[in-house]
Amino acid sequence: DIQMTQSPSSLSASVGDRVTITCRASQTISSFLNWYQQKPGKAPKLLIYAASTLQSGVPSRFSGSEYGTLFTLTISSLQPEDCATYYCQQSYSSLWTFGQGTKVEI
Amino acid sequence: QVTLRESGPALVKPTQTLTLTCTFSGFSMDTSGMCVSWIRQPPGKALEWLARVDWDDDKYYSTSLKTRLTISKDTSKNQVVLTMTNVDPVDTATYYCARCYYDSSGSRFHYWGQGTLVTVSS
Repeated sequence: DIQMTQSPSSLSASVGDRVTITCRASQTISSFLNWYQQKPGKAPKLLIYAASTLQSGVPSRFSGSEYGTLFTLTISSLQPEDCATYYCQQSYSSLWTFGQGTKVEI
Repeated sequence: QVTLRESGPALVKPTQTLTLTCTFSGFSMDTSGMCVSWIRQPPGKALEWLARVDWDDDKYYSTSLKTRLTISKDTSKNQVVLTMTNVDPVDTATYYCARCYYDSSGSRFHYWGQGTLVTVSS
């Protein structure tokens, strides 16, 4: 199975900071990488798909990039409502996998 | 408008079989490219993908759980059912169903149910 390794597991930043979360795949997954945001007690919400495509309705301060098997999610200016846990997920192989999550606190 | 809703027992005893039903609306599993997955999340822990059924009835299972899982779809009822045998307290989690769709950009979970908490305890 393809392993997805996220870092850091948690971070604390201030409002207005630029925040970057990384996700590394254990093998090539092309651009088949999605990012989700999950708030406590809620289902995850799709933010970015295909590594860098912003889902409709998601604020433009969220962006995704790809560097081979390394993927990043960047929040350009952290807002209070961005407090959440973020997950990457690959859909390259027939067996899908999530990263272990990154908790973002203000 | 796409909706999904999970249903099933809130409490099951160890060694029993858990059956969860995902009832959906707003799409058809007869549509080429459509799929539904089950994902779970133990309290305070990460998401774990469990299984997927595709529109053509292809089925895929997490390697670590494949001997205990069965996924099926009933297109006429707009339902996808997941069964998990021989449950253990470590299977205590919120179980989500989510709709996926294959296209040139891969597949992703755009629509999710609200989740159902299942506790495994004697």
